[in-house]
Amino acid sequence: ETGVTQTPRHLVMGMTNKKSLKCEQHLGHNAMYWYKQSAKKPLELMFVYNFKEQTENNSVPSRFSPECPNSSHLFLHLHTLQPEDSALYLCASSQVGSAYNEQFFGPGTRLTVL
Amino acid sequence: AQSVTQLDSHVSVSEGTPVLLRCNYSSSYSPSLFWYVQHPNKGLQLLLKYTSAATLVKGINGFEAEFKKSETSFHLTKPSAHMSDAAEYFCVVSDLVANTGNQFYFGTGTSLTVIP
Repeated sequence: ETGVTQTPRHLVMGMTNKKSLKCEQHLGHNAMYWYKQSAKKPLELMFVYNFKEQTENNSVPSRFSPECPNSSHLFLHLHTLQPEDSALYLCASSQVGSAYNEQFFGPGTRLTVL
Repeated sequence: AQSVTQLDSHVSVSEGTPVLLRCNYSSSYSPSLFWYVQHPNKGLQLLLKYTSAATLVKGINGFEAEFKKSETSFHLTKPSAHMSDAAEYFCVVSDLVANTGNQFYFGTGTSLTVIP
């Protein structure tokens, strides 16, 4: 595996379900990010982890719970979601240390909440 | 604070004609700038980045962008559009914040349509 991988690629869940999204980066980076991308809306930054520590939480509802057990893995735990949470969830990683370091994105998980 | 404005939400060109996607940034000092492309239901892929080494930056798939400090712009161009260029394009500015790490500021995106 190379780059940033995300599983599952597609997920359909009911509002009472609990599920988790997984992200793994194989680039040796020390920062990981969760973004939400909804139709017709700008990309929304949800969470940032630097060196496994959460450094940003952009007023995300508590029904989204991130977990970063090590610098290579990032999870997004989902529970009691709403239909408006349906979106493409993108994971990214980068190497902290220079503003010239770009983010590398995974392919995303397409989430549908019924 | 950094910010990015993509001046066009939609651009439509004919195949074989030039592409111009406009981006203006706001930064208090020398910025780090990126262009990403996103095809439907895919992640974002880096096209090119400005690192202050040269004002004209060449990227993948024939794209290039020119950094113009006096105009605070970083427009993306391609001499001849191909059908496969149809996608969403994002301009991004980056900042390195002490104790927090890299902050990335995304434009709202430009949807490029290529007409056969």
